[in-house]
Amino acid sequence: ELKVEQNPLFLSMQEGKNYTIYCNYSTTSDRLYWYRQDPGKSLESLFVLLSNGAVKQEGRLMASLDTKARLSTLHITAAVHDLSATYFCAVDNVSNAGKSTFGDGTTLTVKP
Amino acid sequence: NAGVTQTPKFRVLKTGQSMTLLCAQDMNHEYMYWYRQDPGMGLRLIHYSVGEGTTAKGEVPDGYNVSRLKKQNFLLGLESAAPSQTSVYFCASSWDRLNSPLHFGNGTRLTVT
Repeated sequence: ELKVEQNPLFLSMQEGKNYTIYCNYSTTSDRLYWYRQDPGKSLESLFVLLSNGAVKQEGRLMASLDTKARLSTLHITAAVHDLSATYFCAVDNVSNAGKSTFGDGTTLTVKP
Repeated sequence: NAGVTQTPKFRVLKTGQSMTLLCAQDMNHEYMYWYRQDPGMGLRLIHYSVGEGTTAKGEVPDGYNVSRLKKQNFLLGLESAAPSQTSVYFCASSWDRLNSPLHFGNGTRLTVT
């Protein structure tokens, strides 16, 4: 059974600081996704990581994937208040109808 | 382009009542999914469909049924609601499972008293 663990689950940081969210998964996977959810809202896709060593960047967020370590990281650079949200990683296996297994989410609060 | 639309947005049921949640997508996606989200937890898959006329069980299917009679619609039914089914329900769809992320609806907040 595929398990996905995120840490930390809660993160409070000051504007301008850097931090990393970690996503570990338990079995071989074909791809990994990062999603963002604002309070009371739906989830939106941030990154799709398809292969070992993949790195994607969008603004102050950068995601990477190490399939050998079964680890993905979401790095936040010079945080701003607008990045406050809950971030989920999700792991797929195409042979399993591509069902995504989600981590429990990391709630990020960026304070001035 | 509406994307994924869920109805209703909110609903309060009494224990034992039934209801159907509707998910409609206009992106011609083959794959559709129903997830539930509970406080402090990630999303858990209830049922999914890999194409019109097909459905399959996910991680937490008990107490729910689904149907996909048309490609664009995926219905989630609760035959006899229980307080444990109080949750936020999200429908999602995707074009394929090779490179495509999930596209989510705005969710249905269901309370069972």
